[in-house]
Amino acid sequence: QQQVRQSPQSLTVWEGETAILNCSYEDSTFNYFPWYQQFPGEGPALLISIRSVSDKKEDGRFTIFFNKREKKLSLHITDSQPGDSATYFCAASGNSGTYQRFGTGTKLQVVP
Amino acid sequence: GGIITQTPKFLIGQEGQKLTLKCQQNFNHDTMYWYRQDSGKGLRLIYYSITENDLQKGDLSEGYDASREKKSSFSLTVTSAQKNEMAVFLCASSRRTGSDYTFGSGTRLLVI
Repeated sequence: QQQVRQSPQSLTVWEGETAILNCSYEDSTFNYFPWYQQFPGEGPALLISIRSVSDKKEDGRFTIFFNKREKKLSLHITDSQPGDSATYFCAASGNSGTYQRFGTGTKLQVVP
Repeated sequence: GGIITQTPKFLIGQEGQKLTLKCQQNFNHDTMYWYRQDSGKGLRLIYYSITENDLQKGDLSEGYDASREKKSSFSLTVTSAQKNEMAVFLCASSRRTGSDYTFGSGTRLLVI
């Protein structure tokens, strides 16, 4: 059973556009949501994260919007650049001692 | 800065063979993880370890063994390689279970 779901599976945007990546979860005890960025041939790397007490987290061009009631969150990448082309994983975990559950990823391509 | 190293980067095995993958980290992190990455299926947890000599099964532990001989190293054994086990195996570590992960660059397994 997939506890963390992501959509779309792949996304193509033009350079300068805003890319929106979606994530949803089922377990209401999840309270921490990191996003990881993975380039081909590399392992995922932490990009940005949010805790369930917040509804928004911003870091430069990357913003997470979080809706606790609907158990949904999204990653917005504004002014997308070709260097943002990568696979993005949404993850979720609960209280200390529980490991992170990962979604299936969204492969983003930014076309110049 | 620390580093997490996976060896080998590429591993070619024969069906039925026992294969071992190794991971070393110098962050002094308590928890280490082994994930398997298949296209379209995201990251699935095989085993994790919260301290030296500890082992916890993940969602995909059948067909695998693991060993945490010391805090800095975590090895994974494929007990009998199968043709459908062509995947990338990712090792990760975190300061404590559930906190942010640092991933290695992966071991790519091909079974012939």
